[in-house]
Amino acid sequence: DTEVTQTPKHLVMGMTNKKSLKCEQHMGHRAMYWYKQKAKKPPELMFVYSYEKLSINESVPSRFSPECPNSSLLNLHLHALQPEDSALYLCASSRPDRENEKLFFGSGTQLSVL
Amino acid sequence: GNSVTQMEGPVTLSEEAFLTINCTYTATGYPSLFWYVQYPGEGLQLLLKATKADDKGSNKGFEATYRKETTSFHLEKGSVQVSDSAVYFCALSRPGGTSYGKLTFGQGTILTVHP
Repeated sequence: DTEVTQTPKHLVMGMTNKKSLKCEQHMGHRAMYWYKQKAKKPPELMFVYSYEKLSINESVPSRFSPECPNSSLLNLHLHALQPEDSALYLCASSRPDRENEKLFFGSGTQLSVL
Repeated sequence: GNSVTQMEGPVTLSEEAFLTINCTYTATGYPSLFWYVQYPGEGLQLLLKATKADDKGSNKGFEATYRKETTSFHLEKGSVQVSDSAVYFCALSRPGGTSYGKLTFGQGTILTVHP
């Protein structure tokens, strides 16, 4: 199994809603990532988890709250988002070591904030 | 800081044409270099990588050579297919400590191949 599975694929939410994005991998990777990608732009790193601990937060607003309940799962909790947060949210995983920096990406959740 | 510059697109080619997408980088030390591809409606997939100077990464007919003297990692393919139509991202990673997986991406180059 070399897949990173993200759900849902599409999400529409209002600015007062609370929703969660989910990501799952069964490759035994101990590093997991959230990236945000606006249309026609490269992905921007948001968070990195290493061995289920948050190791990098790229100054992301607190309306985005990541969670890593176990080594296979990664969540992104959303609350009080703004329309400018509409984007493709990509999850990725990798082995957290120098020998293999290959990131495996999921297909993403396309988020629209109304 | 680290940065990656890609040739501006979009690039439009006919099937079986030769492809070059230029990529240059700025980084201290010895970064690893990558090409990722993103097909419509999908996430990114690693196309190829190189971890040290003069390494050549190759996959699916695509090649790129890590040139430290010119700080470049240009992507080439001898004969493109319609199925190669996608967005191509050049990226670098500064390994070590908490930097693993922290990719710096170029702006992306849209490639369209016509039959």
